[in-house]
Amino acid sequence: DQQVKQNSPSLSVQEGRISILNCDYTNSMFDYFLWYKKYPAEGPTFLISISSIKDKNEDGRFTVFLNKSAKHLSLHIVPSQPGDSAVYFCAAIPGGGADGLTFGKGTHLIIQP
Amino acid sequence: SAVISQKPSRDICQRGTSLTIQCQVDSQVTMMFWYRQQPGQSLTLIATANQGSEATYESGFVIDKFPISRPNLTFSTLTVSNMSPEDSSIYLCSARQGYEQYFGPGTRLTVT
Repeated sequence: DQQVKQNSPSLSVQEGRISILNCDYTNSMFDYFLWYKKYPAEGPTFLISISSIKDKNEDGRFTVFLNKSAKHLSLHIVPSQPGDSAVYFCAAIPGGGADGLTFGKGTHLIIQP
Repeated sequence: SAVISQKPSRDICQRGTSLTIQCQVDSQVTMMFWYRQQPGQSLTLIATANQGSEATYESGFVIDKFPISRPNLTFSTLTVSNMSPEDSSIYLCSARQGYEQYFGPGTRLTVT
């Protein structure tokens, strides 16, 4: 049973446009959500996070939105740049923070020139 | 943020042997974890490395196969024992500060 779902295996976006990556979760105990970017042959790089008490968090070109009632979050990248081409993982932590992250399967973002 | 290094970065091992992966964090952290990413898959938590006590393993992972040590707040090791080709994977060390979690570059293991 997959508790964190990223239903789009890949997404292609033109350079300069907005990239929107989506993530759904089923476990209502999740309290904190993180997005990671991963290049081949490297470890995941932390991008941005959001607590369940907020509905938006922004950091430069990256904004994460959380809709707790829908158990849905999204990562917006504006404007998209060629270096953004990577696999993006959504991850979640239950309340208390004592457990490891639960990851989605990832979305491969391709930025086209 | 925490900077994490892993050794070795990659290895090719024979079936039936064991490999120990080392993980070093540049600052003291409360929690360290070990993950596996099999080809084309997402990251799966193997265990939480507890300082001074036995690791906490996730369902499907056992101490005899993946013994873990964490002698202090900045260092941990994961051993992959009695390897088979199914253990070919990327093994990732991770450390948490507050609610933010950081990853090492990974160890790419190929078992022949």
